Amino acid sequence: QSALTQPASVSGSPGQSITISCTGTSSDVGDYNYVSWYQQHPGKAPKLMIYDVTNRPSGVPDRFSGSKSGNTASLTISGLQAEDEADYYCSSYTSSTTVVFGGGTKVTVL
Amino acid sequence: QLRLQESGPGLVKPSETLSLTCTVSGGSISSSDYYWAWIRQPPGEGLEWIQSVYYSGSIFYSPSLRSRVTMFIDTSKNQFSLKLSSVTAADTAVYYCAGWPLGSWYFDLWGRGTLVTVSS
Repeated sequence: QSALTQPASVSGSPGQSITISCTGTSSDVGDYNYVSWYQQHPGKAPKLMIYDVTNRPSGVPDRFSGSKSGNTASLTISGLQAEDEADYYCSSYTSSTTVVFGGGTKVTVL
Repeated sequence: QLRLQESGPGLVKPSETLSLTCTVSGGSISSSDYYWAWIRQPPGEGLEWIQSVYYSGSIFYSPSLRSRVTMFIDTSKNQFSLKLSSVTAADTAVYYCAGWPLGSWYFDLWGRGTLVTVSS
């Protein structure tokens, strides 16, 4: 199974909106609504930010939103804040009943 | 609220077996409706799912590691464990224990992670 494809880095100024893409195939992202997103600050464990493509767990700010079109899922952060600077990983269920992660995207707040 | 904590040796010799344990607190491992999982992250790299198991014995495997991985649950100790055999330097990573709710495919519980270095 191949990792999902994410851009290595995305940057934006405070208050701006940024979008991180996560591209898979018809055997994972494209065929199932089981895409999740995780935020990871340096030296910390990942934190679930979005699950099942669009759902936010309790406590996650509504600045974070998820979507999907075809084989590509996206995470949008609106009103970017300094504390949003972190690595972000997408993940998807696959047709092989496995879980695959993306390579990760480093978000920089300028 | 469920909490997870990894434990185990931080240094393992090449060709030996890596063994880690995750202790679940705040609830019963057998009645929490969670699949329990291990995920690892080599230094400076991304996340890799290893395996997930339900207390009843149902297991999901990563194909790339299946031949070297054993995972089991000890309900009497509220723990689950990972054994990875024939390790090499490529197995050096932070190992996280995690949980995903039954019927879902996302991880909403994470331990803090433990670094395991494979070196002689």
